[in-house]
Amino acid sequence: AQSVTQLGSHVSVSEGALVLLRCNYSSSVPPYLFWYVQYPNQGLQLLLKYTTGATLVKGINGFEAEFKKSETSFHLTKPSAHMSDAAEYFCAVSFTGTASKLTFGTGTRLQVTL
Amino acid sequence: NAGVTQTPKFRVLKTGQSMTLLCAQDMNHEYMYWYRQDPGMGLRLIHYSVGEGTTAKGEVPDGYNVSRLKKQNFLLGLESAAPSQTSVYFCASSYSTRKEQFFGPGTRLTVL
Repeated sequence: AQSVTQLGSHVSVSEGALVLLRCNYSSSVPPYLFWYVQYPNQGLQLLLKYTTGATLVKGINGFEAEFKKSETSFHLTKPSAHMSDAAEYFCAVSFTGTASKLTFGTGTRLQVTL
Repeated sequence: NAGVTQTPKFRVLKTGQSMTLLCAQDMNHEYMYWYRQDPGMGLRLIHYSVGEGTTAKGEVPDGYNVSRLKKQNFLLGLESAAPSQTSVYFCASSYSTRKEQFFGPGTRLTVL
């Protein structure tokens, strides 16, 4: 079955530290991959996406993600966390033949401390 | 461009009452979606539409109905609300197959 897994429902980092949020998917065919961010009491905003081509994708606010087909992963990173990065992050996958439907992971809440 | 808008932003219902949530988009998108968000469960797809006049069931459709009479609008109805339908509801739209979805700000619904 096609699925998306986000490891770690809560991640805490110090300001200035590396941010790493993990996402793995299960599919025999490479899907389209997305990371969304949700700030408190707001809707979801697209951070970045991978469809085809370069496997290292750069997004907004200094975030990037790398598609690794062999590991079926699409981990999100940021070299230096900022207090404003505190939010919930969702990995989402569009599997082949699903009419553009997205399957979401359960989310990772990022806390940034001083 | 307003993007995706949702009405209302908040609503409290009693068990058994009905209501309709309205989603509107001004991006001329073909595809529209309704999700519910519950703690620890991510977003789950309720219903979706691939074009005006068409709708389809998603992952958790029971207790909900939808209509897409106009391309820009997608309505979500609860005929007889239940406490299990207490959630935050998000509408989204996308241009075509496997493109990113654009989300509305959400509707927080409480069913007592």
